[in-house]
Amino acid sequence: EPEVTQTPSHQVTQMGQEVILRCVPISNHLYFYWYRQILGQKVEFLVSFYNNEISEKSEIFDDQFSVERPDGSNFTLKIRSTKLEDSAMYFCASSLRTGGGETQYFGPGTRLLVL
Amino acid sequence: SQQGEEDPQALSIQEGENATMNCSYKTSINNLQWYRQNSGRGLVHLILIRSNEREKHSGRLRVTLDTSKKSSSLLITASRAADTASYFCATDANDYKLSFGAGTTVTVRA
Repeated sequence: EPEVTQTPSHQVTQMGQEVILRCVPISNHLYFYWYRQILGQKVEFLVSFYNNEISEKSEIFDDQFSVERPDGSNFTLKIRSTKLEDSAMYFCASSLRTGGGETQYFGPGTRLLVL
Repeated sequence: SQQGEEDPQALSIQEGENATMNCSYKTSINNLQWYRQNSGRGLVHLILIRSNEREKHSGRLRVTLDTSKKSSSLLITASRAADTASYFCATDANDYKLSFGAGTTVTVRA
């Protein structure tokens, strides 16, 4: 069964450093998402992406964050200058379409720790 | 915010018993999805129920949706130790994102 994959599974970085989290969505899916979950808290929406554009972004997704689909398979989240509060599990998801009954399939997550 | 809110926050049951958890939300939705998360792991999709559906079954799972009350329930029948996990509802209002609740932590005792 096709699945969303994410790399790395864990990343430790120093405050102020740039990190790039990578995702390979399910191959025929058209919509891509990033969510994050701070330890012990709710899963929070960050950004959605369709047709090489951001469809929607949350207040969390400020200028320090960017997303890119550099080729036909990868979808990346870049945090330009990490802060301690960026420590969280980051989930990538993809769906065939948005809304109207389409399941979002989540990857296993990347656990980011900012020191 | 239209985030789902689960109730109870935590549930401890004996293996073989049923587990019921509820989710309430605030605004109109296209669909509501339930996910499971084992400790520190990824989100596994369990079931999706559309706004025009009232009940859906998948194996030992039964989901109901009452749009007039803006609530949903997830029933796990004949629970097993492997069902121990956190369960989240997530609402989709066709605005390119899912809004998650805080989850119900279910512990199934052997």
